[in-house]
Amino acid sequence: NAGVTQTPKFQVLKTGQSMTLQCAQDMNHEYMSWYRQDPGMGLRLIHYSVGAGITDQGEVPNGYNVSRSTTEDFPLRLLSAAPSQTSVYFCASQSGAANYGYTFGSGTRLTVV
Amino acid sequence: DQQVKQNSPSLSVQEGRISILNCDYTNSMFDYFLWYKKYPAEGPTFLISISSIKDKNEDGRFTVFLNKSAKHLSLHIVPSQPGDSAVYFCAASAGGNTGKLIFGQGTTLQVKP
Repeated sequence: NAGVTQTPKFQVLKTGQSMTLQCAQDMNHEYMSWYRQDPGMGLRLIHYSVGAGITDQGEVPNGYNVSRSTTEDFPLRLLSAAPSQTSVYFCASQSGAANYGYTFGSGTRLTVV
Repeated sequence: DQQVKQNSPSLSVQEGRISILNCDYTNSMFDYFLWYKKYPAEGPTFLISISSIKDKNEDGRFTVFLNKSAKHLSLHIVPSQPGDSAVYFCAASAGGNTGKLIFGQGTTLQVKP
């Protein structure tokens, strides 16, 4: 099993550009989330989804959009990139069962110049 | 407002000794707690979890203790091994497994041979 796949692994954007970070999981997990990791801030939740067609905001949703049209995919869209969005982004999925930890992808390192 | 706090950015221990990583939380609605381990350039991996109805959960060398009255949890690693050197994150959710998982800032553990 591939688990959680994130693409691309690295990306450089110019301020104002838009892009989509892709996330796909092949474990038939209901729950999926996006986090960003910044030095000294840990992992902060951007958006999450508990099933296809259902999304909700996390701690830091501004500047990001998500949709969940299928169980497998949960793309994260940056509408107009800003230098403050320079970060490492992680996608994660979970079956929804209790005591079952999230499976994370390997991350996308985004730099906005 | 940081709801989950790991106040020690780093910890260094000798191989074979006990490592104790601490985590405090402020939201009394949190009822499900997890620990994750992260190596550089990889996504976090799930280690161990605990429900608020328990005060201890053990898995091999890893034990998590929960003190609800103090809003404090800790991860004990015994004995510590050099391969345990990583960043450790605690995380929490409210209302059971809702899909909204809040992380702390992380603690970097170094285990010296």
